[in-house]
Amino acid sequence: DAGVIQSPRHEVTEMGQEVTLRCKPISGHNSLFWYRQTMMRGLELLIYFNNNVPIDDSGMPEDRFSAKMPNASFSTLKIQPSEPRDSAVYFCASSVGGTRLVSSYEQYFGPGTRLTVT
Amino acid sequence: SQQGEEDPQALSIQEGENATMNCSYKTSINNLQWYRQNSGRGLVHLILIRSNEREKHSGRLRVTLDTSKKSSSLLITASRAADTASYFCATFRGTGFQKLVFGTGTRLLVSP
Repeated sequence: DAGVIQSPRHEVTEMGQEVTLRCKPISGHNSLFWYRQTMMRGLELLIYFNNNVPIDDSGMPEDRFSAKMPNASFSTLKIQPSEPRDSAVYFCASSVGGTRLVSSYEQYFGPGTRLTVT
Repeated sequence: SQQGEEDPQALSIQEGENATMNCSYKTSINNLQWYRQNSGRGLVHLILIRSNEREKHSGRLRVTLDTSKKSSSLLITASRAADTASYFCATFRGTGFQKLVFGTGTRLLVSP
Protein backbone atom coordinates (compact mmCIF):
# COMPACT_ATOMS: atom_id res chain seq x y z
CA ASP A 1 0.00 0.00 0.00
CA ALA A 2 1.28 3.46 -0.86
CA GLY A 3 0.15 4.95 2.41
CA VAL A 4 -1.47 8.34 2.76
CA ILE A 5 -0.55 10.56 -0.16
CA GLN A 6 -0.39 14.33 0.11
CA SER A 7 0.30 16.96 -2.48
CA PRO A 8 2.05 19.22 -2.90
CA ARG A 9 4.91 18.45 -0.52
CA HIS A 10 5.98 22.06 -0.45
CA GLU A 11 4.01 25.19 -1.23
CA VAL A 12 5.24 28.74 -1.20
CA THR A 13 2.70 31.42 -1.84
CA GLU A 14 2.10 35.09 -1.28
CA MET A 15 -0.30 36.49 1.26
CA GLY A 16 -3.80 36.73 -0.09
CA GLN A 17 -3.48 33.82 -2.49
CA GLU A 18 -5.64 30.72 -2.35
CA VAL A 19 -3.95 27.52 -1.29
CA THR A 20 -5.33 24.02 -1.83
CA LEU A 21 -3.82 20.99 -0.16
CA ARG A 22 -4.75 17.53 -1.30
CA CYS A 23 -4.91 14.16 0.38
CA LYS A 24 -5.56 10.60 -0.72
CA PRO A 25 -6.20 8.35 2.29
CA ILE A 26 -5.35 4.69 2.50
CA SER A 27 -7.90 2.59 0.65
CA GLY A 28 -10.50 1.14 2.97
CA HIS A 29 -9.98 3.68 5.73
CA ASN A 30 -13.19 5.40 6.78
CA SER A 31 -11.73 8.23 8.86
CA LEU A 32 -9.69 11.17 7.66
CA PHE A 33 -7.99 13.90 9.65
CA TRP A 34 -6.31 17.18 8.81
CA TYR A 35 -3.69 18.39 11.28
CA ARG A 36 -1.48 21.46 11.44
CA GLN A 37 1.93 21.41 13.10
CA THR A 38 3.86 24.47 14.22
CA MET A 39 6.64 25.01 16.70
CA MET A 40 4.48 27.25 18.84
CA ARG A 41 1.29 25.19 18.97
CA GLY A 42 2.48 21.68 18.24
CA LEU A 43 0.16 19.30 16.40
CA GLU A 44 -3.46 20.44 16.22
CA LEU A 45 -6.45 18.65 14.77
CA LEU A 46 -8.23 20.88 12.28
CA ILE A 47 -11.04 18.65 11.06
CA TYR A 48 -12.18 15.03 11.21
CA PHE A 49 -14.22 13.22 8.57
CA ASN A 50 -15.95 9.92 9.15
CA ASN A 51 -17.36 8.13 6.11
CA ASN A 52 -16.82 11.34 4.11
CA VAL A 53 -18.90 13.42 6.52
CA PRO A 54 -17.29 16.22 8.57
CA ILE A 55 -17.76 15.28 12.21
CA ASP A 56 -15.68 17.80 14.08
CA ASP A 57 -14.31 21.02 12.64
CA SER A 58 -13.83 22.87 15.89
CA GLY A 59 -10.11 23.09 15.20
CA MET A 60 -10.50 25.00 11.95
CA PRO A 61 -8.96 28.39 12.79
CA GLU A 62 -11.39 30.63 10.98
CA ASP A 63 -13.61 30.97 7.97
CA ARG A 64 -10.62 31.27 5.69
CA PHE A 65 -10.13 27.52 6.12
CA SER A 66 -12.42 24.99 4.51
CA ALA A 67 -12.18 21.25 3.92
CA LYS A 68 -14.06 18.85 1.71
CA MET A 69 -14.19 15.14 1.19
CA PRO A 70 -16.20 14.49 -1.98
CA ASN A 71 -15.49 10.74 -1.90
CA ALA A 72 -13.69 8.12 0.15
CA SER A 73 -10.42 8.53 -1.73
CA PHE A 74 -9.91 12.28 -1.81
CA SER A 75 -9.95 15.30 0.46
CA THR A 76 -8.90 18.91 0.16
CA LEU A 77 -8.01 21.62 2.63
CA LYS A 78 -8.33 25.12 1.26
CA ILE A 79 -7.11 28.39 2.69
CA GLN A 80 -8.50 31.53 1.10
CA PRO A 81 -7.03 34.09 1.50
CA SER A 82 -3.79 32.83 2.97
CA GLU A 83 -1.85 34.77 5.60
CA PRO A 84 1.74 34.48 6.85
CA ARG A 85 0.53 33.01 10.15
CA ASP A 86 -0.85 30.05 8.20
CA SER A 87 2.71 28.92 7.53
CA ALA A 88 3.02 25.43 8.98
CA VAL A 89 3.22 21.77 8.06
CA TYR A 90 -0.19 20.34 7.28
CA PHE A 91 -0.70 16.62 7.74
CA CYS A 92 -3.44 14.39 6.51
CA ALA A 93 -4.02 11.13 8.36
CA SER A 94 -6.43 8.27 7.87
CA SER A 95 -7.57 5.34 9.90
CA VAL A 96 -10.10 2.56 10.04
CA GLY A 97 -12.69 2.02 12.72
CA GLY A 98 -13.52 5.51 13.83
CA THR A 99 -17.06 6.57 14.64
CA ARG A 100 -18.99 9.79 14.97
CA LEU A 101 -18.06 9.91 18.64
CA VAL A 102 -14.45 8.89 18.72
CA SER A 103 -11.62 8.99 16.26
CA SER A 104 -10.02 5.60 15.88
CA TYR A 105 -6.98 4.48 17.75
CA GLU A 106 -4.20 4.10 15.21
CA GLN A 107 -3.82 6.87 12.69
CA TYR A 108 -1.64 6.70 9.58
CA PHE A 109 -0.04 9.99 8.64
CA GLY A 110 0.96 11.30 5.27
CA PRO A 111 4.31 13.00 4.68
CA GLY A 112 2.83 16.46 5.11
CA THR A 113 2.72 19.66 3.09
CA ARG A 114 5.06 22.41 4.20
CA LEU A 115 3.27 25.69 3.54
CA THR A 116 5.07 28.99 3.53
CA VAL A 117 3.06 32.17 3.09
CA THR A 118 5.14 35.28 2.47
CA SER B 1 -3.04 23.58 26.15
CA GLN B 2 -1.60 20.16 25.33
CA GLN B 3 -3.17 17.19 27.08
CA GLY B 4 0.16 15.44 27.20
CA GLU B 5 3.37 17.01 28.32
CA GLU B 6 6.51 15.08 27.56
CA ASP B 7 9.78 15.44 29.32
CA PRO B 8 12.51 15.92 28.69
CA GLN B 9 11.95 18.23 25.75
CA ALA B 10 15.22 17.00 24.28
CA LEU B 11 17.44 14.02 24.98
CA SER B 12 20.87 13.24 23.59
CA ILE B 13 22.46 9.83 24.06
CA GLN B 14 25.00 7.47 22.51
CA GLU B 15 24.15 4.41 20.49
CA GLY B 16 23.59 1.41 22.70
CA GLU B 17 22.28 3.44 25.63
CA ASN B 18 18.68 3.36 26.79
CA ALA B 19 16.39 6.34 26.28
CA THR B 20 13.49 7.11 28.61
CA MET B 21 10.82 9.65 27.82
CA ASN B 22 7.94 10.60 30.07
CA CYS B 23 4.44 11.85 29.45
CA SER B 24 2.02 13.39 31.91
CA TYR B 25 -1.64 14.02 31.27
CA LYS B 26 -4.46 15.70 33.14
CA THR B 27 -7.74 13.89 32.61
CA SER B 28 -8.85 10.28 32.88
CA ILE B 29 -8.02 8.16 29.88
CA ASN B 30 -9.04 4.86 28.30
CA ASN B 31 -5.73 4.43 26.55
CA LEU B 32 -2.53 6.24 25.69
CA GLN B 33 -0.54 6.04 22.50
CA TRP B 34 3.02 6.82 21.51
CA TYR B 35 4.01 8.06 18.07
CA ARG B 36 7.37 8.74 16.43
CA GLN B 37 8.13 11.51 13.94
CA ASN B 38 11.29 11.49 11.92
CA SER B 39 12.48 14.85 10.66
CA GLY B 40 10.39 16.05 7.75
CA ARG B 41 8.02 13.09 7.93
CA GLY B 42 4.60 12.28 9.29
CA LEU B 43 3.93 10.59 12.60
CA VAL B 44 4.12 6.83 12.93
CA HIS B 45 2.13 4.91 15.51
CA LEU B 46 4.37 2.91 17.85
CA ILE B 47 2.30 1.42 20.62
CA LEU B 48 -0.98 1.73 22.50
CA ILE B 49 -1.44 0.94 26.16
CA ARG B 50 -4.87 0.64 27.71
CA SER B 51 -5.81 2.09 31.08
CA ASN B 52 -6.02 -1.37 32.66
CA GLU B 53 -2.49 -2.24 31.56
CA ARG B 54 0.61 -1.26 33.49
CA GLU B 55 3.29 -2.26 31.03
CA LYS B 56 3.55 -3.23 27.40
CA HIS B 57 6.44 -4.30 25.18
CA SER B 58 7.05 -4.11 21.47
CA GLY B 59 10.51 -5.06 20.29
CA ARG B 60 12.95 -2.64 21.91
CA LEU B 61 10.11 -0.48 23.18
CA ARG B 62 8.70 -0.69 26.66
CA VAL B 63 5.79 1.48 27.74
CA THR B 64 4.50 1.86 31.26
CA LEU B 65 1.35 3.54 32.47
CA ASP B 66 0.56 4.79 35.96
CA THR B 67 -3.01 6.03 36.00
CA SER B 68 -2.76 7.10 39.64
CA LYS B 69 -0.01 9.52 38.71
CA LYS B 70 -1.45 10.24 35.28
CA SER B 71 1.85 9.48 33.64
CA SER B 72 3.41 7.16 31.10
CA SER B 73 6.96 6.42 30.08
CA LEU B 74 8.51 5.15 26.87
CA LEU B 75 11.77 3.27 27.13
CA ILE B 76 13.85 2.50 24.06
CA THR B 77 16.52 -0.05 24.86
CA ALA B 78 19.84 -0.40 23.05
CA SER B 79 19.19 2.73 21.03
CA ARG B 80 20.36 3.14 17.45
CA ALA B 81 21.10 6.19 15.35
CA ALA B 82 17.93 5.38 13.41
CA ASP B 83 15.91 6.02 16.59
CA THR B 84 16.71 9.72 16.26
CA ALA B 85 13.29 11.35 16.04
CA SER B 86 10.65 13.18 18.04
CA TYR B 87 8.37 11.08 20.20
CA PHE B 88 4.84 12.09 21.12
CA CYS B 89 2.30 10.70 23.50
CA ALA B 90 -1.36 11.06 22.61
CA THR B 91 -4.61 10.64 24.48
CA PHE B 92 -8.26 11.07 23.68
CA ARG B 93 -10.11 13.99 25.14
CA GLY B 94 -13.25 15.97 24.61
CA THR B 95 -16.90 15.96 25.51
CA GLY B 96 -19.09 14.41 22.87
CA PHE B 97 -16.57 13.81 20.12
CA GLN B 98 -13.33 12.30 21.44
CA LYS B 99 -10.33 13.47 19.49
CA LEU B 100 -6.72 12.39 19.74
CA VAL B 101 -4.61 15.11 21.34
CA PHE B 102 -0.85 15.00 21.03
CA GLY B 103 1.71 16.11 23.55
CA THR B 104 4.54 18.51 22.97
CA GLY B 105 7.06 15.80 22.14
CA THR B 106 10.57 14.76 23.13
CA ARG B 107 13.35 15.23 20.58
CA LEU B 108 15.72 12.28 20.81
CA LEU B 109 19.19 12.40 19.27
CA VAL B 110 21.17 9.17 19.19
CA SER B 111 24.79 9.66 18.21
CA PRO B 112 26.84 6.85 16.64
